[in-house]
Amino acid sequence: DIQMTQSPSSLSASVGDRVTITCQASQDISNFLNWYQQKPGRAPKLLIYDASDLETGVPSRFSGGGSGTDFTFTISSLQPEDVATYYCQHYDNLPPLTFGGGTKVVIE
Amino acid sequence: QVQLVQSGPEVKKPGASVKVSCKASGYNFTGYYIHWVRQAPGQGLEWMGRINPNGGGTNYAQKFQGRVTMTRDTSISTAYMELNRLRSDDTVVYYCARGTPVATILDYWGQGTLITASS
Repeated sequence: DIQMTQSPSSLSASVGDRVTITCQASQDISNFLNWYQQKPGRAPKLLIYDASDLETGVPSRFSGGGSGTDFTFTISSLQPEDVATYYCQHYDNLPPLTFGGGTKVVIE
Repeated sequence: QVQLVQSGPEVKKPGASVKVSCKASGYNFTGYYIHWVRQAPGQGLEWMGRINPNGGGTNYAQKFQGRVTMTRDTSISTAYMELNRLRSDDTVVYYCARGTPVATILDYWGQGTLITASS
């Protein structure tokens, strides 16, 4: 099974800061990676698919990159409404589908 | 608009079974997989399996093999997840999510259903 290692597990940043989260796959998954945002008490929401494509309606301050085994997720200017936990998820060679462990983002 | 509406919270005794429903609307139900993902309090997301409503084919995570059954009723655009032999650590929120057929992108999610397994 493909394992997804996400880091950091939590971070604290100021409004307006640039925030970057990384996700590493245990083997090459090409660009078969998605990113989700989950706010407390809510279902996850798709933000980025195919590693770098922005889902319709998602603000452009969110972006993704990478391919193979190393991926990044960036918030270019952190906003108060971005407080959430972010997860990566691969979809290469299913099943199983696996998620990263999550990164909790809070405002300083 | 696409919607997935799940059944309400339930309390079950350990050893019992529970069946959660996920009613889809706003799209062609047989054109997309339904995935089931669960989340323990304060923990991450755990994939349980998926069903292809077109034909009913399923894939389950190894951890749940033999204990979970996913079914669907295309006449009412509803998918079901039944979990047997409940344990206390099955007390989590269960989500259904629509999965695109080629690239597994979970683009719409249900609101979640809390199942509590407690004596």
